[in-house]
Amino acid sequence: AQRVTQPEKLLSVFKGAPVELKCNYSYSGSPELFWYVQYSRQRLQLLLRHISRESIKGFTADLNKGETSFHLKKPFAQEEDSAMYYCALTLTNFGNEKLTFGTGTRLTIIP
Amino acid sequence: GAGVSQSPRYKVAKRGQDVALRCDPISGHVSLFWYQQALGQGPEFLTYFQNEAQLDKSGLPSDRFFAERPEGSVSTLKIQRTQQEDSAVYLCASSLERGKQFFGPGTRLTVL
Repeated sequence: AQRVTQPEKLLSVFKGAPVELKCNYSYSGSPELFWYVQYSRQRLQLLLRHISRESIKGFTADLNKGETSFHLKKPFAQEEDSAMYYCALTLTNFGNEKLTFGTGTRLTIIP
Repeated sequence: GAGVSQSPRYKVAKRGQDVALRCDPISGHVSLFWYQQALGQGPEFLTYFQNEAQLDKSGLPSDRFFAERPEGSVSTLKIQRTQQEDSAVYLCASSLERGKQFFGPGTRLTVL
């Protein structure tokens, strides 16, 4: 069965410093990987997906199949980045679109 | 132009009571998902519909949990004979694209 691991429950970073949120997955096939974010008093929302290869709000994530990782990075943290971040995967086979989430990392940006 | 809505937002039930949680997906979204999120955990998959067809219910924890989406739009998650371990936030999401799910605000269920 597929599994997503986020080793850090809490992460504090100073404003302007680089951010890296770790995510590792286990799945024998080729999953699709995502980062979801939940800001304070808001609903869970998609931040980015690996197939888009895009940068959203300055964040990027590269899928490393050799290390089965999908770490989220941002070179300069901003206070508005404080939120709960979840890494998730979905399988690519037809008819199965459920997301498997990690336990999340709470990111706090220190002013 | 509203997003996914869920009702009620909060529900307190006595152990043994039945509860029904409602989800209104974004209009036109074919796929609908239910997740359970316990305190300090990530959302965990319960069940998935494509239109009115329930394609996957492998995440439902017991036969006390039942979900339906009879007309391919609104969905209801029903929990019979609630237990304390059912206390959690229940999230509904709808989608048009694989992985790109739009979540509702959740229903926080507390079983006393």
